[in-house]
Amino acid sequence: GQNIDQPTEMTATEGAIVQINCTYQTSGFNGLFWYQQHAGEAPTFLSYNVLDGLEEKGRFSSFLSRSKGYSYLLLKELQMKDSASYLCAVRDSNYQLIWGAGTKLIIKP
Amino acid sequence: SQTIHQWPATLVQPVGSPLSLECTVEGTSNPNLYWYRQAAGRGLQLLFYSVGIGQISSEVPQNLSASRPQDRQFILSSKKLLLSDSGFYLCAWSKRGTHGSDTQYFGPGTRLTVL
Repeated sequence: GQNIDQPTEMTATEGAIVQINCTYQTSGFNGLFWYQQHAGEAPTFLSYNVLDGLEEKGRFSSFLSRSKGYSYLLLKELQMKDSASYLCAVRDSNYQLIWGAGTKLIIKP
Repeated sequence: SQTIHQWPATLVQPVGSPLSLECTVEGTSNPNLYWYRQAAGRGLQLLFYSVGIGQISSEVPQNLSASRPQDRQFILSSKKLLLSDSGFYLCAWSKRGTHGSDTQYFGPGTRLTVL
């Protein structure tokens, strides 16, 4: 079967750096997405990786290793507004999006 | 720019009652449209997707149905709600093309509680 694994919850301190990992086992691979979802709101697109390596977007970076079935989202200079769930999704060989359950990130002052 | 609307924002319905949730997209033509359900602590579950008017693909057999009467309108329906239908329903769109070929953007969602 297809599976996306992410930690259920993480806690970090304002101003610090946090890395949220995502491992996947899917039928083929056609890209990996990260979304941010604040409580009670819709997911918003953060990043897309299809080739190995690091993609940087301001305070957020996303890394992909296709051979290891692994990605991470790196958040720098954490702010209280970064408290949210972070969803990892992989597009399989049928271009179907397979979603992880999300990682709830709690930022403490 | 593109905008996606969903209504209602929240809904409380008794078991056995009908359901109609609506989603509309502005600022783009011929989008791919999706209905998802998100249960607490679970990943997003794709319910239906559509690549054009009248073209609906179902991913999960259940008592829900979807329709696309206009290019930028997507409707989720049920004739008789079950308790298990409670959840957060999200509509999403992506640029026209092969299903799933592009980034999906989500509407604000509808919180459905079935009592």
